[in-house]
Amino acid sequence: GAGVSQSPSNKVTEKGKDVELRCDPISGHTALYWYRQRLGQGLEFLIYFQGNSAPDKSGLPSDRFSAERTGESVSTLTIQRTQQEDSAVYLCASSYRGLGAGEQYFGPGTRLTVT
Amino acid sequence: DQQVKQNSPSLSVQEGRISILNCDYTNSMFDYFLWYKKYPAEGPTFLISISSIKDKNEDGRFTVFLNKSAKHLSLHIVPSQPGDSAVYFCAAITTGTASKLTFGTGTRLQVTL
Repeated sequence: GAGVSQSPSNKVTEKGKDVELRCDPISGHTALYWYRQRLGQGLEFLIYFQGNSAPDKSGLPSDRFSAERTGESVSTLTIQRTQQEDSAVYLCASSYRGLGAGEQYFGPGTRLTVT
Repeated sequence: DQQVKQNSPSLSVQEGRISILNCDYTNSMFDYFLWYKKYPAEGPTFLISISSIKDKNEDGRFTVFLNKSAKHLSLHIVPSQPGDSAVYFCAAITTGTASKLTFGTGTRLQVTL
């Protein structure tokens, strides 16, 4: 079946511009996560959506970052006034259940480069 | 504060031999641990996991060992195959809370012929 998809696969933007990254989770997965991986570092949690509950935004690095999710489907991660330190691979993952075991299925990521 | 650490950024192993990837954690609240494998330009894929109530979990060529007193886990791959060449991430979670994974920085495994 279809896995997690993300678009665009690559995005180059100028410092100060806003960007929007999209994630389509696996159908039926109630939980959705955003992570990022900066060069030479591990994956860093950003935000978590579970059903209709309020999202866990504890990993967002600044108020320039925000994310939305429509029901249990598509999510968009928005970065306003991008900075060079925002350059990273942004990964989306989904899972059938949120609380409990953490088998999360990842998309291929969006590589963001801020020039 | 890096709560999950993979101190070896890279490892090279000959085909057919055992690969041992190590991971240390500091947060004693973690009770479930996972290994993910990542190929270039792809997202991580789940490999194997272990609950803190166990000390070993085996799945084919892959075995994960957990030493809770040492806050250490390891992934053994035997025999190693060239297709195992990838970056391996250790991750940890506290079940019953917001289930965000805390990842290590990864170990790049190269299996040579």
